[in-house]
Amino acid sequence: GDPVTQMEGPVTLSEEAFLTINCTYTATGYPSLFWYVQYPGEGLQLLLKATKADDKGSNKGFEATYRKETTSFHLEKGSVQVSDSAVYFCALHSGGYQKVTFGTGTKLQVIP
Amino acid sequence: DTAVSQTPKYLVTQMGNDKSIKCEQNLGHDTMYWYKQDSKKFLKIMFSYNNKELIINETVPNRFSPKSPDKAHLNLHINSLELGDSAVYFCASSRSGGSGNEQFFGPGTRLTVL
Repeated sequence: GDPVTQMEGPVTLSEEAFLTINCTYTATGYPSLFWYVQYPGEGLQLLLKATKADDKGSNKGFEATYRKETTSFHLEKGSVQVSDSAVYFCALHSGGYQKVTFGTGTKLQVIP
Repeated sequence: DTAVSQTPKYLVTQMGNDKSIKCEQNLGHDTMYWYKQDSKKFLKIMFSYNNKELIINETVPNRFSPKSPDKAHLNLHINSLELGDSAVYFCASSRSGGSGNEQFFGPGTRLTVL
């Protein structure tokens, strides 16, 4: 199967709602896991990352915990803002010269 | 002080033409990438270079030819453009080594083939 699976969008939320975007992965060893965000008309930028099991990445109110037992790296935010409207990509890198594998992206729309 | 820059930002051309997209990074990274993003936002890696050497070459038509004259530059030349080549092309760079290095993306080049 695909190395990275994330929930399909679009996800539409009201401002201040709780956000969860699910991401699961398939990989041997101990890959690093990332969430990238793509705002409209821009390139991707790193939102947060975790490089080993049980690590929690956090940035701009977003969090994700590297769960090896469930092979998951779900993205959460307690209270979303209109400015969080973007496409979010989960990604995995197993190291060395191997490629980074991106999920299919989840579009988030936050309405006032 | 742009980290990863691409030119042009927009490219509109006719089928059958040949075009190039240029990419430069000033981050001192040794690895550079080309990605293609389709209209559904699917991101697909095309090529990767490390220290000017090709290390990743996904299943891409040989009409696409990357060239890395030095570590800071990675260009993409496309021959005989087809309608299906219409997409946004992103250049990215990173440091090599380990698995926790983030990739820095350029702003993208929107290619439209008419």
